[in-house]
Amino acid sequence: KNEVEQSPQNLTAQEGEFITINCSYSVGISALHWLQQHPGGGIVSLFMLSSGKKKHGRLIATINIQEKHSSLHITASHPRDSAVYICAVKGSGNTGKLIFGQGTTLQVKP
Amino acid sequence: GAGVSQSPRYKVAKRGQDVALRCDPISGHVSLFWYQQALGQGPEFLTYFQNEAQLDKSGLPSDRFFAERPEGSVSTLKIQRTQQEDSAVYLCASSLLAENTGELFFGEGSRLTVL
Repeated sequence: KNEVEQSPQNLTAQEGEFITINCSYSVGISALHWLQQHPGGGIVSLFMLSSGKKKHGRLIATINIQEKHSSLHITASHPRDSAVYICAVKGSGNTGKLIFGQGTTLQVKP
Repeated sequence: GAGVSQSPRYKVAKRGQDVALRCDPISGHVSLFWYQQALGQGPEFLTYFQNEAQLDKSGLPSDRFFAERPEGSVSTLKIQRTQQEDSAVYLCASSLLAENTGELFFGEGSRLTVL
């Protein structure tokens, strides 16, 4: 079993829909990152969380440390949101390496 | 530069050749990471530098892989005697603070294809 699991693996939505991507992890962490990767492109950091909730534009990220679970929400989705969304955790007590989930491929149709 | 720069963006090598991949992190960033991303997979950790010190190389898959950051800025990932299974995108990331306690900035990656 992977230490970081994302669901769903693939998601297709219509423009305007509210989207949720989930991330569960099995290790103790000090921080969790949500990252975005466009096809053929680099990775962009969206959020770094250690507790609670963060909001940036139409994106919201939450984390529940006790339940070892995080969610990424996209409100009023748009075709330009189509990308791979990756959850990555920084374990507590290590030298900083991230453990990545497999990613969720999102396609938003107009 | 404004971001993390990697070169070359694309590299085709014949099996058995040595390759060198370069990463220019954001100026002043303490932490530098190398990750390997196979097609359709999430990135896998290779190695971590804090300034010039290689603090974690537990992810390097074999002794054919070697990384250095001699002056605490530019880093080079070297792969000797490349094999087909080395084909992947090699991602470099940097962070201002030690131990990845700050925001992480990724380069565009170097796509290696071994024939």
